[in-house]
Amino acid sequence: DVKVTQSSRYLVKRTGEKVFLECVQDMDHENMFWYRQDPGLGLRLIYFSYDVKMKEKGDIPEGYSVSREKKERFSLILESASTNQTSMYLCASSDLGREQFFGPGTRLTVL
Amino acid sequence: GENVEQHPSTLSVQEGDSAVIKCTYSDSASNYFPWYKQELGKRPQLIIDIRSNVGEKKDQRIAVTLNKTAKHFSLHITETQPEDSAVYFCAAVVSGNTPLVFGKGTRLSVIA
Repeated sequence: DVKVTQSSRYLVKRTGEKVFLECVQDMDHENMFWYRQDPGLGLRLIYFSYDVKMKEKGDIPEGYSVSREKKERFSLILESASTNQTSMYLCASSDLGREQFFGPGTRLTVL
Repeated sequence: GENVEQHPSTLSVQEGDSAVIKCTYSDSASNYFPWYKQELGKRPQLIIDIRSNVGEKKDQRIAVTLNKTAKHFSLHITETQPEDSAVYFCAAVVSGNTPLVFGKGTRLSVIA
């Protein structure tokens, strides 16, 4: 059974703080993804990675960076959190061209 | 790049009726079309998918149809039940080193 886990379900941070969101998958998937989900806007891709130490920008990368030092772990970094980054963040993993498995999500509030 | 449009954004049906959600895509090279269901407070989960070499696929009360010429695909849910209430997302991708492109979602409400 595929498991994608995220480090926190709920997180509250202050404006300007550096925020780390961690995602771990246990299925040896090559691909990992970070999305943010906002009402009416669907799932928007922030960054993705097809291999260790490899990253590609998605549709909305501004204000974010990522790190993939190990195959199973993909981290999303908010360098200086802002209130407009308050959102639900979803991580996902997959094999190439196949079903994506999502994590439970992290609801981030930036005050 | 690929663009996926999904309609309607909200849909209310009476229990037992059918529900249809439609998506269009722009890249004729797309060849994998999954549908995800997201219940309130939960993660999106795959419910059915179709590849471009197939025109229709069924799984119990759920079916997906694909029209490659018109570049659209649809989700059909028959005999709807309250537990079908959720947000449904369609997606499209050209298999290979590209990520899924999602529609904006349809909030389905099944009224008992």
